[in-house]
Amino acid sequence: DVKVTQSSRYLVKRTGEKVFLECVQDMDHENMFWYRQDPGLGLRLIYFSYDVKMKEKGDIPEGYSVSREKKERFSLILESASTNQTSMYLCASSPLTGGYNSPLHFGNGTRLTVT
Amino acid sequence: AQSVTQLGSHVSVSEGALVLLRCNYSSSVPPYLFWYVQYPNQGLQLLLKYTSAATLVKGINGFEAEFKKSETSFHLTKPSAHMSDAAEYFCAVSDRSGATNKLIFGTGTLLAVQP
Repeated sequence: DVKVTQSSRYLVKRTGEKVFLECVQDMDHENMFWYRQDPGLGLRLIYFSYDVKMKEKGDIPEGYSVSREKKERFSLILESASTNQTSMYLCASSPLTGGYNSPLHFGNGTRLTVT
Repeated sequence: AQSVTQLGSHVSVSEGALVLLRCNYSSSVPPYLFWYVQYPNQGLQLLLKYTSAATLVKGINGFEAEFKKSETSFHLTKPSAHMSDAAEYFCAVSDRSGATNKLIFGTGTLLAVQP
């Protein structure tokens, strides 16, 4: 079974702090994703990466950046946290093989509260 | 561009009753469609996926979905609800605008099962 591990289940940070959310997958997947989940809005894509050191913006990248220095690890960075970034953050991975047919495998999420 | 619409943010059924969760898609190309389930405080788990091999797709936990091109629908059903089915359900479509399989999610349907 694919395992996607997010390092923190709950985080509480102050406005203006720099925040790092970490995600590790153990299946050698090429693709990794960060989604944000809010009630009534579903999941929205923040950033994704299809290879080491490669990244592309999703639908809502403002206020976020990412880092992928190793294939198994994909980090989401909030440069200066704001209260409107309080949300559930979900990391996912998928293999390159299978193309558009490939489902995403999700971690358990990090619930971030910015006060 | 691809999108999905989930009708009904909350659905309540009695234990043993039919479960019907609605999803309509919009796609300019043949779609790849997915249903995910999210149990409380967990990530998303794949229920089933449609990849054009068969219009009736069977998934885990007794769920199935039928692809109807004429109705642009991919509704999720289960003949008899169980208390353990209480969760949030998301429909998703592959975004085929780039090389990476990004998923576009609906806003979710929260299923409650009454004893």
